[in-house]
Formats: sequence, structure tokens, C-alpha cells
Amino acid sequence: DAKTTQPNSMESNEEEPVHLPCNHSTISGTDYIHWYRQLPSPGPEYVIHGLTSNVNNRMASLAIAEDRKSSTLILHRATLRDAAVYYCILLISNFGNEKLTFGTGTRLTIIP
Amino acid sequence: DTEVTQTPKHLVMGMTNKKSLKCEQHMGHRAMYWYKQKAKKPPELMFVYSYEKLSINESVPSRFSPECPNSSLLNLHLHALQPEDSALYLCASSPPGGGTSTDTQYFGPGTRLTVL
Repeated sequence: DAKTTQPNSMESNEEEPVHLPCNHSTISGTDYIHWYRQLPSPGPEYVIHGLTSNVNNRMASLAIAEDRKSSTLILHRATLRDAAVYYCILLISNFGNEKLTFGTGTRLTIIP
Repeated sequence: DTEVTQTPKHLVMGMTNKKSLKCEQHMGHRAMYWYKQKAKKPPELMFVYSYEKLSINESVPSRFSPECPNSSLLNLHLHALQPEDSALYLCASSPPGGGTSTDTQYFGPGTRLTVL
């Protein structure tokens, strides 16, 4: 499976934008880039996903490099509730047998 | 109803006990998943059910036995567990289509299992 590489931890000030990087140099053409986060209360939560184009939703934006070997999750205005572990995951289409393989993720700390 | 529920929230069991974890969703999802998460580690996939049939078993020991009685319910039967099996067990589901690379997974809050 293609792997992702993320920094172990990052800090950001409250109400400032946060850019969380992810490298996935072995990505293949059909791999989707997914981001999940896990808040202090247990279950992971979907954030955003994309294939080639940049994506926006109510939670975040996803910027994908032109060669798709890296991507950046952007939280436009971080709040204390955004403190979590953020996982960048490549999801490989396999005719209904898709699986999420979580890497070690980035622990984001928000400073009040 | 837009959530995945898991019961119990906490479970303590001995190595000779038999217990079951339960997961339920009423979103019409057709793929359901079990993950295991040890402390300070990322979740690890255990099983995937697609349209009520087991489609992925990530070489999980037979002391863990999954069951999908219907499209809304997923069980994990536990027997003769070891202390190292203590972990958070997460259930997830994804929308109709059996899961595709565009589908998001919705996670439950997990069952925290302690094996004595």
C-alpha cells in the first residue's frame, strides 16, 4: 500500500490558519487522498477528501500538488476544538474492499 | 439517524470469558468495519463486511469472531482473549455501494476493552 508521511506534531495559535502537510510520493493515479481527525473523544471523524483538484468544505480545504505527491490540509481559522490528531490516508479503490490504513498522523495543538 | 452506536462503552473481561461487542447504524450503509486502537497508536483495520459478507480479514486471530446478522448490525465475538488484546475497538460504516474510494467512513465512539 502507498504510504503517507506527516510531521508528528504541530502547534498553532487560536484563530489563525493552520496548514497540515502530507507527503505521498508513491501515490498511484486512482488513489484518493482522505483526511480524518481524532479528537480527544474517541472515534475518528471524516474531514475531507480529494483526487486531483483542490477541495473545500465547511470544515477545511484540501490543496493537492499538481504531481499529487503531496497535499496540505488547511484549517482556515483554528479553534480550540480543532485540537486533534490529523490523519492523511490514501484510499485505494478495490471493488468494494476499500480500507483505510492510518499512519501515525499529526498531533495538532491549539494555543489559546 | 446519522450516527454509529457501539455497546458497551467499557468492558472488562477475564481471559476465559466470552463476550460480544455490538455496533449498529441506521443510515442504510452497506459496508461495516472493525478497527482496533491501542493507546497512542493509530487505528488498525481488523475486518470489513460488504453487503453483509466478510470481504476483508486482516489476519486477525480466531479468538476474534465477527458477525453481520443484517445490514444494520455488526458484532464482534470475543473468546479466550489475552491481556495484550486490551484496546479501544472502533466500528465504522460507509454508504451504499459497498465502499468506494470516494466514500467516507463514519465511526462510532468505540468500546474500551480491558482483558485481565
